Amino acid sequence: DIQMTQSPSSLSASVGDRVTITCRASQGISNYLAWYQQKPGKVPKLLIYAVSTLQSGVPSRFSGSGSGTDFTLTISSLQSEDVATYFCQRYSGAPFTFGPGTKVDIK
Amino acid sequence: EVQLVEAGGGLVKPGGSLRLSCAASGFSFSGSTMTWVRQAPGKGLEWVSSISSSSVYIYYADSVKGRFTISRDNARNSLYLQMNSLRAEDTAVYYCGAHSSPPYYYYFMDVWGKGTTVSVSS
Repeated sequence: DIQMTQSPSSLSASVGDRVTITCRASQGISNYLAWYQQKPGKVPKLLIYAVSTLQSGVPSRFSGSGSGTDFTLTISSLQSEDVATYFCQRYSGAPFTFGPGTKVDIK
Repeated sequence: EVQLVEAGGGLVKPGGSLRLSCAASGFSFSGSTMTWVRQAPGKGLEWVSSISSSSVYIYYADSVKGRFTISRDNARNSLYLQMNSLRAEDTAVYYCGAHSSPPYYYYFMDVWGKGTTVSVSS
């Protein structure tokens, strides 16, 4: 099975900072990658699909990039409401594995 | 309003069974792929099982294969997860998710329910 990894596992940044989270697949998954945000105590929310397509209603400070095996979620200017854990998920074929998550908080 | 509402969670002894349900409204349930995802306390998201719109394609995580059965009733706009031979490691919040917009054959989730809690303990 294709394994998904994320780095870092956690990070702390200041409001206004540019934040980058990496997701890596053990084999190529084309562009079948989604990103989710889960705020503390809340339900996961879809942010991005197809590597870089922003879900409706998601702020434009979120962006995604990458191809093949290496992907990136970027928050261009971190806001306090972005404190959350971020998960990537591959959907190129079963199993539709999630990454282990990256916890983001404010310094 | 687009909505998914899970039910059926609870406390069960190891080896026992539970049946989760998920009621959908506000979108084309019969056209959507549906997925169960779980989250153990303090842990990340774990994909459990997915089913295509017409139930032709069904997928399971290795951790539940042979013990869990996913099904759906498009006439009732409902998704189910029959869980047998439950283990302590199945303890988690179980979320129902849908891919509700075209193209409908993808297995990422743009709609999530609030989850139902399953606890397996003696």
